Amino acid sequence: AQTVTQSQPEMSVQEAETVTLSCTYDTSESDYYLFWYKQPPSRQMILVIRQEAYKQQNATENRFSVNFQKAAKSFSLKISDSQLGDAAMYFCAYRRSQGGSEKLVFGKGMKLTVNP
Amino acid sequence: GAGVSQSPRYKVAKRGQDVALRCDPISGHVSLFWYQQALGQGPEFLTYFQNEAQLDKSGLPSDRFFAERPEGSVSTLKIQRTQQEDSAVYLCASSLAGGPHEQFFGPGTRLTVL
Repeated sequence: AQTVTQSQPEMSVQEAETVTLSCTYDTSESDYYLFWYKQPPSRQMILVIRQEAYKQQNATENRFSVNFQKAAKSFSLKISDSQLGDAAMYFCAYRRSQGGSEKLVFGKGMKLTVNP
Repeated sequence: GAGVSQSPRYKVAKRGQDVALRCDPISGHVSLFWYQQALGQGPEFLTYFQNEAQLDKSGLPSDRFFAERPEGSVSTLKIQRTQQEDSAVYLCASSLAGGPHEQFFGPGTRLTVL
């Protein structure tokens, strides 16, 4: 079974600075998708960024980028120029790409605090 | 367009009562998912539909949990004889099928079993 591990339960960052959230996963499959989701205090989960495992290039979305290390099964999220609105729970998630269920397997999450 | 909606937003049940939670997915989304999120934890998968077919129900914790999507649109998650351990937020998500499509989440239903 696939597992996703987020070892840091909480982090804080100063506004305008950069922070990196770590995630590791375990799978025997060679092709899959990885996601970072954000869950603000209002509770609605929002997609931040996604990565397809067969793509070597790291995904970027404005201030958000990932460092995808397939061999190490590591998928970290970098947030640049942190803003107060970035404060939320962040979840790393895995999904198989072929066959079977399209379910997401989530990590336990990490609470990010942004200090003004 | 409208996002995923869930009702009720909050539900308090006495132990032993039956509850029904509703999910209205985004129009045209083939796939629908239910997740359970305990306090301070990540969401855990319960079940998955593609149209009206329930393709994966491996995450349902017991036979007290039942989900349906009879017309391939709205879905209902039913919990019979609720127990205190069922207290959690129940999240519904919908997406297009296949590919790295984003799952769009609803606001969730917070269930408290007394």
